[in-house]
Amino acid sequence: DIQMTQSPSSLSASVGDRVTITCRASQYISTYLNWYQQKPGKAPKLLIYAASSLQSGVPSRFSGSGSGTDFTLTISSLQPEDFATYYCQQSYSTPPYTFGQGTKLEIK
Amino acid sequence: EVQLLESGGGLVQPGGSLRLSCATSGFTFSSYAMSWVRQAPGKGLEWVSAISGSGENTDYADSVKGRFTISRDNSKNTLYVQMNSLRAEDTAVYYCAKTRSFGVVPRDYFDSWGQGTLVTVSS
Repeated sequence: DIQMTQSPSSLSASVGDRVTITCRASQYISTYLNWYQQKPGKAPKLLIYAASSLQSGVPSRFSGSGSGTDFTLTISSLQPEDFATYYCQQSYSTPPYTFGQGTKLEIK
Repeated sequence: EVQLLESGGGLVQPGGSLRLSCATSGFTFSSYAMSWVRQAPGKGLEWVSAISGSGENTDYADSVKGRFTISRDNSKNTLYVQMNSLRAEDTAVYYCAKTRSFGVVPRDYFDSWGQGTLVTVSS
């Protein structure tokens, strides 16, 4: 199975900051990488699919990039509602659909 | 608007069984593969099982293979998972999730999620 590793595991930032989260796959996955946001007690929400495609309704301050094994999720200017946990998920070799361990974004 | 509503969670003893349901609306249920994804308390997301739009094809994580059975009733727009021989490590919030494809295929993602139902396996 393909393993997904996110870094950092947690991150403190301020409103207005630019934030980048990294996801690395254990083997080549082309651009089949998706990002989800999860707030406490809530279901995950799809943000980005196919590495860089913004899901409908998601603010344009979210962006994704990368291919092969290395990917990033960038939030250009943090808003209060962006403090959450973020997960990457590979869909190149599925099932199983494997997720990263998550990155918790907290307020500084 | 797509809506997914899980039910059936609760407290069960080790070795016991439970069936979860996911009632759906707002889309043509039979046209999309569906999955169950779980999240242990304080942990990350783990895909559990998937089923194609027709119900003919299924797949399971190794951790539940032989114990869980996914199914669907397209006439009722409802997804199910029958969980047998439950273990403490099955304790989690179970989410149903809609994919964008008909089949259980690669290159897919989960575009809608339910709110989850908690399963606790404990004596």
